[in-house]
Amino acid sequence: AQTIHQWPVAEIKAVGSPLSLGCTIKGKSSPNLYWYWQATGGTLQQLFYSITVGQVESVVQLNLSASRPKDDQFILSTEKLLLSHSGFYLCAWSPGQNQAPLFGEGTRLSVL
Amino acid sequence: GDSVTQTEGQVTVSESKSLIINCTYSATSIGYPNLFWYVRYPGEGLQLLLKVITAGQKGSSRGFEATYNKEATSFHLQKASVQESDSAVYYCALSGGADRLTFGKGTQLIIQP
Repeated sequence: AQTIHQWPVAEIKAVGSPLSLGCTIKGKSSPNLYWYWQATGGTLQQLFYSITVGQVESVVQLNLSASRPKDDQFILSTEKLLLSHSGFYLCAWSPGQNQAPLFGEGTRLSVL
Repeated sequence: GDSVTQTEGQVTVSESKSLIINCTYSATSIGYPNLFWYVRYPGEGLQLLLKVITAGQKGSSRGFEATYNKEATSFHLQKASVQESDSAVYYCALSGGADRLTFGKGTQLIIQP
């Protein structure tokens, strides 16, 4: 069975500090991978997606970047956090295009 | 771009009563989007509840049903008799072109005993 693991579960960070969030998928080779973000009271928005190692497409510009260094790993990062980056970050995977993504547990980020 | 509009905020239903959460969509990126309902139970992650990929078809899971109505561009979620364990936040979503999933804002369902 496929599993998806996100880390950390929660973060409290200062404005201007760097951030790195991670996601690992086990039990599925070459999954499509996604990052989503939900501001408090807001809508879940897709930030990035990747269909293969080393290739990442940006969907929404939020001064964040994503990388896929390995087939089963997806990293979300920034060198300088903004207050507006606070929210809930979800990693997801799917077996192919337009298949229903399956989500990790999420990371709650508070930027102070 | 694509958009999803669903019943906003909170919906309160008495246990054993029927439920409908409205969802309408606009898909500009693709003619026949795939449609989904996701659910987040308290303290848990976002889970797929049901999906329908063909217009006119109905999806069902855990007593919930939703029919893909292309003419009305709707995908309403219904249940004949809700239980306390159905308390959760429900999200309608569509899968458009470029492998993009667009969500509604979510509807919090509260079940009154």
